Amino acid sequence: DAGVTQSPTHLIKTRGQHVTLRCSPISGHKSVSWYQQVLGQGPQFIFQYYEKEERGRGNFPDRFSARQFPNYSSELNVNALLLGDSALYLCASSRANRGWNEKLFFGSGTQLSVL
Amino acid sequence: AQTVTQSQPEMSVQEAETVTLSCTYDTSESDYYLFWYKQPPSRQMILVIRQEAYKQQNATENRFSVNFQKAAKSFSLKISDSQLGDAAMYFCAYRRGETSGSRLTFGEGTQLTVNP
Repeated sequence: DAGVTQSPTHLIKTRGQHVTLRCSPISGHKSVSWYQQVLGQGPQFIFQYYEKEERGRGNFPDRFSARQFPNYSSELNVNALLLGDSALYLCASSRANRGWNEKLFFGSGTQLSVL
Repeated sequence: AQTVTQSQPEMSVQEAETVTLSCTYDTSESDYYLFWYKQPPSRQMILVIRQEAYKQQNATENRFSVNFQKAAKSFSLKISDSQLGDAAMYFCAYRRGETSGSRLTFGEGTQLTVNP
């Protein structure tokens, strides 16, 4: 089975533009989470979606939004890009919304550079 | 708010030797879970080992084991018989209770180098 796939792998944008990042979870997984990893830091939680509903939101401005589609894939949108949005954006999927035994599977991320 | 601190930005170990990576966390919760993730140059985060806070017994996965000191809020990772493939960035992570979904709080990471 394919793992978590993210597209594109790399992206260059300029300040003020918007960007859409895409994530396809592992088949059968209904939960998708998004993390931002700035260079030299650990990932920070942005959103979780389960069954197409937002189930958690981290401390990020309203410029960040996401959605989940009926096939459980997800998009992360960032408007009015700032230089500080340059980061690796990681997507993770799991079968369910809760339960400590639910293992998170991460994709290889999208590297966003804002110039 | 919960915080996770990894005080060793870089560590190195000789192949076949043992290394311990440190992690401390701060929480007022009694129900939580702790994890160690590995991030190789491929950037994909890979789960190494996990620990339930209410379990006294330290988790072990082959060459990887943890020393969980709940009162001290410490969660260190020991890698035995280090291999070249263990070289990566290691992140300690915290998750609050069963109801927090997949919201993980990560530390800053420790870059592990394995010398042949």
